[in-house]
Amino acid sequence: EIVLTQSPATLSLSPGERATLSCRASQSVSSYLAWYQQKPGQAPRLLIYDASNRATGIPARFSGSGSGTDFTLTISSLEPEDFAVYYCQQRSNWPTFGPGTKVDIK
Amino acid sequence: QVQLQESGPGLVKPSQTLSLTCTVSGGSISSGGYYWSWIRQHPGKGLEWIGYIYYSGSTYYNPSLKSRVTISVDTSKNQFSLKLSSVTAADTAVYYCARVPMVRGVIRNWFDPWGQGTLVTVSS
Repeated sequence: EIVLTQSPATLSLSPGERATLSCRASQSVSSYLAWYQQKPGQAPRLLIYDASNRATGIPARFSGSGSGTDFTLTISSLEPEDFAVYYCQQRSNWPTFGPGTKVDIK
Repeated sequence: QVQLQESGPGLVKPSQTLSLTCTVSGGSISSGGYYWSWIRQHPGKGLEWIGYIYYSGSTYYNPSLKSRVTISVDTSKNQFSLKLSSVTAADTAVYYCARVPMVRGVIRNWFDPWGQGTLVTVSS
């Protein structure tokens, strides 16, 4: 099983700041990595697939990068609605998810 | 726009079988091009893929749950279902259904969209 680790566990930032979230895989997943956003009481929402492709309707302030074992989700300028938990997910074998990074308001 | 909605009992007794249904609207399961998946989230925890099914009945399951899971599809009702047998308290979770795209015959294994989720509690 491919294990994903995410860092930091919590990221405290202010609106307008840049957020950089990390996801590391226990072995190479090529570019087969997705990112999701989850708000309290809601289902996850797909943000990024195949490491760097924004899903339909996702604002341009969200971007993804990386390949192999190291990936980054960047939110260029945090909007109030971006404070949430973010999960990465690989699809190299069967799908597995990381433990999440919570982005909260500083 | 495709929407998914989970339904089923919110309380299941230990050792019994958990049964949930996902109803798809705004698109037809039998059109192909997508797998249909179940994912769960333990309270306050991360996400766990359970398995998925194609309209033809082809299935893939998480190896850690495979012995207890059955996913089936009813194209006439545009629904797919999850059965998880011999449940314990560790199966208490929010259960989501979601769609998985296929591109050029390859399962792309990202999930979009998701249903709103349904909490299932295992307790006597």
